[in-house]
Formats: sequence, C-alpha cells, structure tokens
Amino acid sequence: EAQVTQNPRYLITVTGKKLTVTCSQNMNHEYMSWYRQDPGLGLRQIYYSMNVEVTDKGDVPEGYKVSRKEKRNFPLILESPSPNQTSLYFCASSSRPPGQADTDTQYFGPGTRLTVL
Amino acid sequence: GNSVTQMEGPVTLSEEAFLTINCTYTATGYPSLFWYVQYPGEGLQLLLKATKADDKGSNKGFEATYRKETTSFHLEKGSVQVSDSAVYFCALSGNTGNQFYFGTGTSLTVIP
Repeated sequence: EAQVTQNPRYLITVTGKKLTVTCSQNMNHEYMSWYRQDPGLGLRQIYYSMNVEVTDKGDVPEGYKVSRKEKRNFPLILESPSPNQTSLYFCASSSRPPGQADTDTQYFGPGTRLTVL
Repeated sequence: GNSVTQMEGPVTLSEEAFLTINCTYTATGYPSLFWYVQYPGEGLQLLLKATKADDKGSNKGFEATYRKETTSFHLEKGSVQVSDSAVYFCALSGNTGNQFYFGTGTSLTVIP
C-alpha cells in the first residue's frame, strides 16, 4: 500500500530538548516536504527536498533542520524546541516537484501533534 | 509572490444544500490549483485539481473551475452529505518555484 508514515504521532516535550520526527514514503517519490498546521494559518511549508541531498527552506524554516540521506526518508529535527513550535506537523511526498507540467499530487502522512512545554 | 485566500469558516449546512467555498489566488506564471480535504484526525487528501486555465477538476460530486481572468478556483457541490463534513484547503503550486502554498482552510459541518 502506498503511504507516507510519520513517527511519533503524538509527542509532549520540554523546551530545549532535541527531538526528531521521522517521515518515510514507499512510493519512490523524489519530492518530500514538511508542513506545520496552526489554527487560522492553514498549512505552511517548513522545508522541502527535491531529491537525495537536496533540501531547501520553505516559508517558516527557523528553528528546524532536515536531512535527506536516502530517497525514502526525510526527518525533521528540532535542535532546541520552543513553545511556539507547538503545532501539528505533516510530511508529504510527490513523484515530481511543483512547477513542472502536470504537477503530481502530494500524498500526506497522518500528522504528528507536538506540544512543547 | 504566491498566495491563496480562502473564504472564512466555519460553514454549517443542512444535508442536500448547495455548497460553495471561495478561493482566489495570486501567482506568477501559470500555477496548478488544488483542493485538498482533511477529515477529523487524518492527513490531507487530494480532492481535485486543475493544471491550466478553464480546466474543471471534479471528484465525488465536487467541482472547481480554474478561472484565470478572476484568479479563482471556487469549490462547489450540488448536494452535500453529512460525510462531507471536513476541512477543505485550496492550494497552488507555482511554475516558477518549488513550493506549494495553502489557504487557511474552511471547516464544513453538514447537519442531517
């Protein structure tokens, strides 16, 4: 079954304690992306990756890091979480990046609800 | 720059009512346009899309037409059901960048 998985689904942590949210897709997609969803703000793109070892900032990258060492995995790293990073996070993937003809659909993971105390 | 503006919610309708959710966009070049749906506790799923002007995307009774002259992509359904209760997001991908842009989402509740 084609899917995007995220772990953990729920996480409560404290300010400053490094954490990683994993994302994995089994569709051999080149493009992967992280979003955060906040009430009244919709989804905002944090980072995206065009392919292995190619990552770039989205609209709200401050306080986050990513890596893309393998095609299937795209972890999101919070080196020193703060309360304003409390949010619902989604990972997504697509076979082609936006901006190409017949842009492909993004497939979303189930979300990770993060609370930073 | 690129952006999407969606009508504010929440929207509450009775079953079998007509639905319109407005979406307008700002973009350079010729973006592709999407509607995604998010059911409670789940991730987003693609509902429909249109990749060029005057295209009509349709799925599960929902429709939206890519109107370049009015920079709009309004979502419509002729007769909503309780199972359509969800949050709907309008989105675009630009042809001059590598990002997706989402609206703020519109919550729809359909009552029997």
